[in-house]
Amino acid sequence: DIQMTQSPSSLSASVGDRVTITCRASQVISNFVVWFQQKPGRAPKSLIYATSTLHSGVPSRFSGSGSGTDFTLTISGLQFEDFATYYCQQYYTYPMTFGQGTRLEMK
Amino acid sequence: QVQLQESGPGLVKPSQTLSLICTVSGASISSTNYYWSLIRQPAGKGMEWIGRMYPSGGVYYNASLRSRAIISLDTSKNQFSLTLNSVTTADTAVYYCSSGTQHQGLHSWGQGVLVTVSS
Repeated sequence: DIQMTQSPSSLSASVGDRVTITCRASQVISNFVVWFQQKPGRAPKSLIYATSTLHSGVPSRFSGSGSGTDFTLTISGLQFEDFATYYCQQYYTYPMTFGQGTRLEMK
Repeated sequence: QVQLQESGPGLVKPSQTLSLICTVSGASISSTNYYWSLIRQPAGKGMEWIGRMYPSGGVYYNASLRSRAIISLDTSKNQFSLTLNSVTTADTAVYYCSSGTQHQGLHSWGQGVLVTVSS
């Protein structure tokens, strides 16, 4: 199975900050990476697919980049509603696998 | 927009069978544009992909479940379902239904349902 190593596991930041979350795959996965946002008790929300394409309605302060094995989610200008847990996931091959999550907390 | 809603038993006894239903709205379960997936998340742990089904009939499972899982479609009710046999306490988790496409990966999720395996 492909391992997705996500870092950091937690992150403290303030409104307006720029934050970066990284995901490293254990083998090359082309650009088949999605990023999800999860808030307690709510359905996960897909933000970005194919490494860098925003889903409709996702604010432009979210961006994704990377290729091969290294991928990044960046939030530029944190808003209050962005404090949540974020996951990466590869859909290059079976089984689909997830990063362990990054909990973004308010400083 | 695809919407999904899970319904499950809440509590299942060890060695018994877990049955979970995902009700889909906003899209036909028969559409070849989508595949239908199940994911689970034990409390305090990471997400585990269980499997996915294409309406054409292709089904893929996570080998970690050792052939205990079956995903099936009910086109008359626009639902898909998970059957997980011989459950143990390790199967206690929040179970999510999800839809996806080949290009976008998983894009829509249900809210999740907690299933506890306990005697």
